[in-house]
Amino acid sequence: DAGVTQSPTHLIKTRGQQVTLRCSPKSGHDTVSWYQQALGQGPQFIFQYYEEEERQRGNFPDRFSGHQFPNYSSELNVNALLLGDSALYLCASSLEGRGSGIQYFGAGTRLSVL
Amino acid sequence: AQSVTQPDIHITVSEGASLELRCNYSYGATPYLFWYVQSPGQGLQLLLKYFSGDTLVQGIKGFEAEFKRSQSSFNLRKPSVHWSDAAEYFCAVGLFSGGYNKLIFGAGTRLAVHP
Repeated sequence: DAGVTQSPTHLIKTRGQQVTLRCSPKSGHDTVSWYQQALGQGPQFIFQYYEEEERQRGNFPDRFSGHQFPNYSSELNVNALLLGDSALYLCASSLEGRGSGIQYFGAGTRLSVL
Repeated sequence: AQSVTQPDIHITVSEGASLELRCNYSYGATPYLFWYVQSPGQGLQLLLKYFSGDTLVQGIKGFEAEFKRSQSSFNLRKPSVHWSDAAEYFCAVGLFSGGYNKLIFGAGTRLAVHP
């Protein structure tokens, strides 16, 4: 049973560029959440996707956008990259419905902005 | 606003010693509480969770945690630490509304284990 997979593992970009990160949820899961983990900090919630719609968003600017596909996989897009966007980006999947609040995390994508 | 505080940034223990990692939360209702562990270069692995019921919960790898409502705490414990337990530990509160769920994490506690 495959867990949550993310790609790529590492990414280096320069300021002003755009980046796309990808996530495949755990088998049987239908909800994907994205988190940003800056160095030395805990993960911070970016947004959550369910049924191909964004249904909850954290305190992140519109430069951060996402998408969920019919197979439940998801993408995180960041435009106009800033140095401060350098972080580990974690994807978590879960199953919709009360009592299913357990989120399973992937290994993350390490983004470095130069 | 909801928040999670992990007062200890770094903790060092000797192998075989007992361990307690502290977690305090701020939340208006009965919280859903989690402990995750992150090894270097890895994602987060769920150690244990508290949703309701017995306030002492057992997790994987010999860890347990106790929910104390009066103290707004959810401390993680292990009676005997192994060198492989060296990692970063995160406490989190789960917020659920209308079916969606999101996690609010503490800043983490980095555990070092001396041989």
